[in-house]
Amino acid sequence: AQSVTQLDSQVPVFEEAPVELRCNYSSSVSVYLFWYVQYPNQGLQLLLKYLSGSTLVESINGFEAEFNKSQTSFHLRKPSVHISDTAEYFCAVTPSGGYQKVTFGTGTKLQVIP
Amino acid sequence: GAGVSQSPRYKVAKRGQDVALRCDPISGHVSLFWYQQALGQGPEFLTYFQNEAQLDKSGLPSDRFFAERPEGSVSTLKIQRTQQEDSAVYLCASSLEKGELFFGEGSRLTVL
Repeated sequence: AQSVTQLDSQVPVFEEAPVELRCNYSSSVSVYLFWYVQYPNQGLQLLLKYLSGSTLVESINGFEAEFNKSQTSFHLRKPSVHISDTAEYFCAVTPSGGYQKVTFGTGTKLQVIP
Repeated sequence: GAGVSQSPRYKVAKRGQDVALRCDPISGHVSLFWYQQALGQGPEFLTYFQNEAQLDKSGLPSDRFFAERPEGSVSTLKIQRTQQEDSAVYLCASSLEKGELFFGEGSRLTVL
């Protein structure tokens, strides 16, 4: 079974400052990793994914995440946040082989302060 | 529409009532998932369909919960004899590629 830990439930950050949202996972098999975002009053949507290859993956709106197998982490970073980045961010994991459910973390609320 | 559609968006039920929540997935998406999201928590897996086959129902919390997808498209999550602890947002997601889920906006159930 897989599990995801997001230790920070809320992260306040000033506009244009950098941010890191932490995610650690547990699994006995190789995994695919994802970050989903939920903007206010909207449904969850995929932000970025790691399947294989380069351990650094990027989103279209400037976020990036790095898969670190030795530390079992997939932290999300952005060098300069905007007000529009205010949302809840969920880290998720699924085994890379066969069918398995996608397991989500408890989420981190990013609050960007003007 | 092009996205996943869920109805009703909001449902208030008296304890003991039965409820049915509907999900219209993206056309052509073989995989369909139901998740339950309690306040302040992440989505918790309930069940998974591949076409009309329910391949995994390990997350259904009790035998009061039942899901179906008879024609491999629209799915219904039914909760019988609702209890207060059933109050949550129920999320439906469809998928073509492993792990890449397209979510609806959810059905918020409040049991009084």
